[in-house]
Amino acid sequence: ETGVTQSPTHLIKTRGQQVTLRCSSQSGHNTVSWYQQALGQGPQFIFQYYREEENGRGNFPPRFSGLQFPNYSSELNVNALELDDSALYLCASSPISQETQYFGPGTRLLVL
Amino acid sequence: GIQVEQSPPDLILQEGANSTLRCNFSDSVNNLQWFHQNPWGQLINLFYIPSGTKQNGRLSATTVATERYSLLYISSSQTTDSGVYFCAVGTSGSRLTFGEGTQLTVNP
Repeated sequence: ETGVTQSPTHLIKTRGQQVTLRCSSQSGHNTVSWYQQALGQGPQFIFQYYREEENGRGNFPPRFSGLQFPNYSSELNVNALELDDSALYLCASSPISQETQYFGPGTRLLVL
Repeated sequence: GIQVEQSPPDLILQEGANSTLRCNFSDSVNNLQWFHQNPWGQLINLFYIPSGTKQNGRLSATTVATERYSLLYISSSQTTDSGVYFCAVGTSGSRLTFGEGTQLTVNP
């Protein structure tokens, strides 16, 4: 158990729709990162939040956006869904002053 | 950006065998982690090891930062060791770049 939870576990959407994924990390984890893992590949970094501010972004378009809240929870929002957005979305958090990242169980998104 | 290569891509073992998984990376790193991804997708932390050697039961890892590689050793493998093993590295902050993984299958 990492103490990082994600919801929902599974989600089915259609092209063009919008989706919000949620992540809750442990108290004291002030950094949260989101990753996208396509089938058969390693996770790809989407972006990171530190103290509620975006602190680095990978090669993802602006329709991928996020929020971090004071209670250590976080959201990933994806607008105008495309078929290629079908993937496992992973949230990871890091304790204060540590580099180690702890991952949640992920949300499987299917876009039809 | 930094490149991460893992080998072998696939590995099939009989229960009780030993194995070595390799991770090569293209630049200096300040963060290196090994993960085991179970069939449900959960990434399980195995080691945080930007340099040096660590051991945890049947698993051990060594990172030679100056030569830009890391090794994960699995001894006396069990069927529950099956899954995908990922190496992930970071050069700044806690953003990680993952390799493509090694798919390990341990047969009874």
